[in-house]
Amino acid sequence: GAVVSQHPSRVICKSGTSVKIECRSLDFQATTMFWYRQFPKKSLMLMATSNEGSKATYEQGVEKDKFLINHASLTLSTLTVTSAHPEDSSFYICSASRSQETQYFGPGTRLLVL
Amino acid sequence: AQTVTQSQPEMSVQEAETVTLSCTYDTSENNYYLFWYKQPPSRQMILVIRQEAYKQQNATENRFSVNFQKAAKSFSLKISDSQLGDTAMYFCALGSNFGNEKLTFGTGTRLTIIP
Repeated sequence: GAVVSQHPSRVICKSGTSVKIECRSLDFQATTMFWYRQFPKKSLMLMATSNEGSKATYEQGVEKDKFLINHASLTLSTLTVTSAHPEDSSFYICSASRSQETQYFGPGTRLLVL
Repeated sequence: AQTVTQSQPEMSVQEAETVTLSCTYDTSENNYYLFWYKQPPSRQMILVIRQEAYKQQNATENRFSVNFQKAAKSFSLKISDSQLGDTAMYFCALGSNFGNEKLTFGTGTRLTIIP
């Protein structure tokens, strides 16, 4: 149990376009989902925390208009990178947790903006 | 603010040997949780082991065990009988409310198991 999927696994887009990444909890209902960014050979940096049905809470320094997060249901959260630029290229990872439980991570999405 | 420090950027050990990864942390909370996550080359984050701060007994999970020293704010991971599949980045993480709130990660230790 506690499987989290992400789609797509990798995406290449042109500068200026928007990209949506989906995060799904496959076998449990996630009360909270988290979005992380990981630079090469670096640790995970939390971008935002989202609870189903409410607005996401963004970490300091993360542009909420740039990285739109929607947590429409207990099994799905989406991250949309708007007007992507090459500096947005990175590895994005989501995690999900049900009440009072450990975070379970998705396999990540590699984004390359040309 | 919570901090997690992993002072060993890289380690290597021969297959079947035992290796210990270090982690220290700082928090002002009384109730918190500590985790070790493994990130193999596939980059999938995998939970290795977790420890509730209020429990004195060290957590164990098959070949993986921790040495939790609450007063010293130390949380090391011991891997016994290391296997080639243990090769990965290992991240120590600190959280509250059993991971339901945000985790603070260390910078990671790259562990290589040598055949």
